[in-house]
Amino acid sequence: GQQVQQSPASLVLQEGENAELQCNFSSTATQLQWFYQSPGGSLVSLLSNPSGTKHTGRLTSTTVTKERRSSLHISSSQTTDSGTYLCAIAASGSWQLIFGSGTQLTVMP
Amino acid sequence: ETAVFQTPNYHVTQVGNEVSFNCKQTLGHDTMYWYKQDSKKLLKIMFSYNNKQLIVNETVPRRFSPQSSDKAHLNLRIKSVEPEDSAVYLCASSRTGTEVFFGKGTRLTVV
Repeated sequence: GQQVQQSPASLVLQEGENAELQCNFSSTATQLQWFYQSPGGSLVSLLSNPSGTKHTGRLTSTTVTKERRSSLHISSSQTTDSGTYLCAIAASGSWQLIFGSGTQLTVMP
Repeated sequence: ETAVFQTPNYHVTQVGNEVSFNCKQTLGHDTMYWYKQDSKKLLKIMFSYNNKQLIVNETVPRRFSPQSSDKAHLNLRIKSVEPEDSAVYLCASSRTGTEVFFGKGTRLTVV
């Protein structure tokens, strides 16, 4: 079945540093979405980016479809960025999102 | 701003009871989903429902069933809960093949 691998599993930064999160998937994805989940909180959609590069605020996502990978770059991290970042893809012919296990980000003051 | 509404937020019940969770979306989407998030925070698709077409993940036990009255509502019924059903259940919606939006979830505890 479809596999979504995220790395690193956890990341600790000092406030102001940049973060780079990776997502690799095992088959062609027609849909790719990055989500944020705060501890005990709901799932918030950050970016929908099945190919190319997208920016929103301090977030930049780059997806290279042929290489089956996507990255999420967080610039100038803040303590409020702490939480879990999840990558999810839908394979060709499916509209169901399959999730990775997430990257746990902790930003220290 | 939340546009996928789930009730209740929390539910505690005993093994063997029947439970039902509600979900409504106000986004005009044509596809709705139920996901289960376990204690390790792993998210797994349970059902998706689009234009009366239901897709069921093969690992979902038969005691789970989705119920839809119209394309804005997709409820989840569990016939006879088991301890392993304790989890957060997340409802979501989308236009088919586009960005998916989630509700805040219903936390189920089975005692």
